[in-house]
Amino acid sequence: DAGVIQSPRHEVTEMGQEVTLRCKPISGHDYLFWYRQTMMRGLELLIYFNNNVPIDDSGMPEDRFSAKMPNASFSTLKIQPSEPRDSAVYFCASSRQGTNEYYGYTFGSGTRLTVV
Amino acid sequence: GDSVTQMEGPVTLSEEAFLTINCTYTATGYPSLFWYVQYPGEGLQLLLKATKADDKGSNKGFEATYRKETTSFHLEKGSVQVSDSAVYFCALVEYGNKLVFGAGTILRVKS
Repeated sequence: DAGVIQSPRHEVTEMGQEVTLRCKPISGHDYLFWYRQTMMRGLELLIYFNNNVPIDDSGMPEDRFSAKMPNASFSTLKIQPSEPRDSAVYFCASSRQGTNEYYGYTFGSGTRLTVV
Repeated sequence: GDSVTQMEGPVTLSEEAFLTINCTYTATGYPSLFWYVQYPGEGLQLLLKATKADDKGSNKGFEATYRKETTSFHLEKGSVQVSDSAVYFCALVEYGNKLVFGAGTILRVKS
């Protein structure tokens, strides 16, 4: 398995532009998580899905952020309009829920977003 | 709510030194505990885990023991290498599948 695949790896955009980050989870995983990592705030959970349904989006910072999971193999995180304070590394992770075993999260390599 | 507290870094050690990174947690029940590692430019990887009190998780020479009486899960390694330089995250999961992470501890190992 190729693991969790995120694209793009790096994104530089101008303030006010729309940004779309993409994630392909591991096949068979039924949970998908979006995290943001910055030096100031550390690792923050933005939103997570179970079986393509958003379960908890309380970490989404504001209405400029939105996430979708149209099917089990694809998710997007969109920022519109983007602002310089959105600059961060965004990680996607997936996992599966076992009844007697915890399988852990598998993280993607992240998208480094810079908004200028 | 649940929380995880890690020792602040950076921790700087010489090669072959003994490593301890402290981690304590707050939870209402009986969480499962984890250590994740993040190498430069990469995502987090599961390093080890323990699912009940007195369990010891181990991997790649790292160990951590689930201590319920002190609500701790300290990470140890007897002899660190330069390649162990990374950020280490302690985490717990109590309900569902939602991990709660600590702030992370930077480890720098000098040759």
